[in-house]
Amino acid sequence: DVKVTQSSRYLVKRTGEKVFLECVQDMDHENMFWYRQDPGLGLRLIYFSYDVKMKEKGDIPEGYSVSREKKERFSLILESASTNQTSMYLCASTRGPAGNTGELFFGEGSRLTVL
Amino acid sequence: AQSVTQLGSHVSVSEGALVLLRCNYSSSVPPYLFWYVQYPNQGLQLLLKYTSAATLVKGINGFEAEFKKSETSFHLTKPSAHMSDAAEYFCAVSDGGATNKLIFGTGTLLAVQP
Repeated sequence: DVKVTQSSRYLVKRTGEKVFLECVQDMDHENMFWYRQDPGLGLRLIYFSYDVKMKEKGDIPEGYSVSREKKERFSLILESASTNQTSMYLCASTRGPAGNTGELFFGEGSRLTVL
Repeated sequence: AQSVTQLGSHVSVSEGALVLLRCNYSSSVPPYLFWYVQYPNQGLQLLLKYTSAATLVKGINGFEAEFKKSETSFHLTKPSAHMSDAAEYFCAVSDGGATNKLIFGTGTLLAVQP
């Protein structure tokens, strides 16, 4: 069974803390994504990566960074967490361009609360 | 640029009634279109997808959607709602680029009344 695993389902952090959200996929997918989900706003793309060590900004990259040192792992980093980053974070992956019809495989999400 | 609009952030139906969730898209190229479902405290899972084959697409759990180019619509339907269908539903369009990023709508929360 294919799987995208997000290491933390629930986190509570303090303002100013550095936060790491980890995501691992076992499908050998080239592309990986981090989305943020907020009520009434749907899913908004933060960053994506189409290869190891490659990254591109999505629609709302401010306040976030990412790391992709290995193909299967994509990390989202909040350098200094703020209360407006309280949200649900969803990781997803998909194949590269060849044969890709755009279907994303999602993890179960990481709900982050920043106090 | 591609985009999707979901009409109705909340839809409530009775068990056994027709489910209709609306999605309109904007795309400058032939689109790939998707419907995803999210059950409480879970990630998103694919319900169905349109990739330029048949215009009527059947998905899991009895859902289907029809691609109508003239109306730029991709509405999701199910003839008879079940309590287990209560969830949030997202329409999405692929940007058609090399990475095939998905652009999501704002979601429709479906409630099913007994």
